[in-house]
Amino acid sequence: AQSVTQLGSHVSVSEGALVLLRCNYSSSVPPYLFWYVQYPNQGLQLLLKYTSAATLVKGINGFEAEFKKSETSFHLTKPSAHMSDAAEYFCAVSGFNFGNEKLTFGTGTRLTIIP
Amino acid sequence: GAGVSQSPRYKVAKRGQDVALRCDPISGHVSLFWYQQALGQGPEFLTYFQNEAQLDKSGLPSDRFFAERPEGSVSTLKIQRTQQEDSAVYLCASSLRDTEAFFGQGTRLTVV
Repeated sequence: AQSVTQLGSHVSVSEGALVLLRCNYSSSVPPYLFWYVQYPNQGLQLLLKYTSAATLVKGINGFEAEFKKSETSFHLTKPSAHMSDAAEYFCAVSGFNFGNEKLTFGTGTRLTIIP
Repeated sequence: GAGVSQSPRYKVAKRGQDVALRCDPISGHVSLFWYQQALGQGPEFLTYFQNEAQLDKSGLPSDRFFAERPEGSVSTLKIQRTQQEDSAVYLCASSLRDTEAFFGQGTRLTVV
C-alpha cells in the first residue's frame, strides 16, 4: 500500500522568499515520487519526478525536490517565489512501473504568493 | 492533438440523469487512467486501461460507474443515475509504459 501526506493545506510566502512544500510518503515498495501543479480550472502539470536516479531532482519553473529515504520525504522547494507560482500543488507516489500504475495523491497544498 | 483532451469541460446534470464523459488520450499512449477530484481534495484513482483492456477498476465507487475504451484509444466514463455526491472534477490521464502520466483539463460535473 502507498500513501502520501502533505503537511499544510495552505502555505503563504512573500514574493522573492523561499518556497517549501512538504511531502512525506509511505510505500511498501521502492517509490517513484512526483510533484504536480494545478492552476485554477486546469488539469495537472508535472513539475518533477523521482525515479530512483539522483536524489536531488530539478524540475520546471525553478522547482526542485530532494528524496530522503531515511525521512520518507520528498519536499518541494524554490529559492525565490514568483507571483505566477500561486497554484495548488500535489505530491504523488507510485511503484516502479509508473507508466502502468495508478498514482496515489496527497490532499494538496495551496500556495499563495504575497506581493 | 498534442495533449489529452476531455469533453465536455463542464456538465450539469439533474439528479438521476445518466452522463457520459469523453477522453481523447495522446496518440500512441497505451495506458489510460481516470481520476475523480472532489472539491478541495487530491485526485483519487477510479480505473485503468492498457489499450482496450480494463486492468484495474478497483477505484470505481459504485456499480453506477462504468468505463470503456473499446478500440484502445478514446475512453468514455459513464455514470448512471447521478447523485449529488458524484459532483467532482473527472480527470483523464494517459501515458506510455515508461513515462509519467499526462493529464487532461478535466470535466467538472455538477449534479443538481
